[in-house]
Amino acid sequence: EPEVTQTPSHQVTQMGQEVILRCVPISNHLYFYWYRQILGQKVEFLVSFYNNEISEKSEIFDDQFSVERPDGSNFTLKIRSTKLEDSAMYFCASSPDRPIYGYTFGSGTRLTVV
Amino acid sequence: DQQVKQNSPSLSVQEGRISILNCDYTNSMFDYFLWYKKYPAEGPTFLISISSIKDKNEDGRFTVFLNKSAKHLSLHIVPSQPGDSAVYFCAASGEAAGNKLTFGGGTRVLVKP
Repeated sequence: EPEVTQTPSHQVTQMGQEVILRCVPISNHLYFYWYRQILGQKVEFLVSFYNNEISEKSEIFDDQFSVERPDGSNFTLKIRSTKLEDSAMYFCASSPDRPIYGYTFGSGTRLTVV
Repeated sequence: DQQVKQNSPSLSVQEGRISILNCDYTNSMFDYFLWYKKYPAEGPTFLISISSIKDKNEDGRFTVFLNKSAKHLSLHIVPSQPGDSAVYFCAASGEAAGNKLTFGGGTRVLVKP
């Protein structure tokens, strides 16, 4: 069964450093997403991406965050200057169409900011 | 943001019995509802969904019920198995509400052998 692949599985970074989280969505999918889950809290929407541009973003997704699909297969989330409160599990997801019907999640990257 | 709420943080059930998980929502623009299952260190896995034009959808041991007037849905797992032990998330979406999923806080289910 096709999978959404995320790397690395765990990233530790110092506060103020830039991190890039990587995702390889399912190949024929058109919509791409990043969600995050702070320990013990809800899974929260960050951003959706379609047709090479952001289609929607949440309040969390401020100027410190950016997304890119640099080569038609990878989908990346960059955090420019990490803060302690960015520590969370970050999930990438993709869907073929009609995203309201749900999508396939990757297994996540655990980001720890120290 | 409490648009989707799961009021029971945990549920313990004996193997073979029914697990009932509940979810409430407040946003009338939601018209599609989903349940995801999540194991530790893994991403959410889609279980079952229901459109607002239906009140029930069944898939094997899993049945989702939707009461649109009460803005309430539930997931029934019958019979419960030890492998069902996980965190279950209710999620809602709708084109008018944006093409994203809004998740509840999750219910941790423990199925005891």
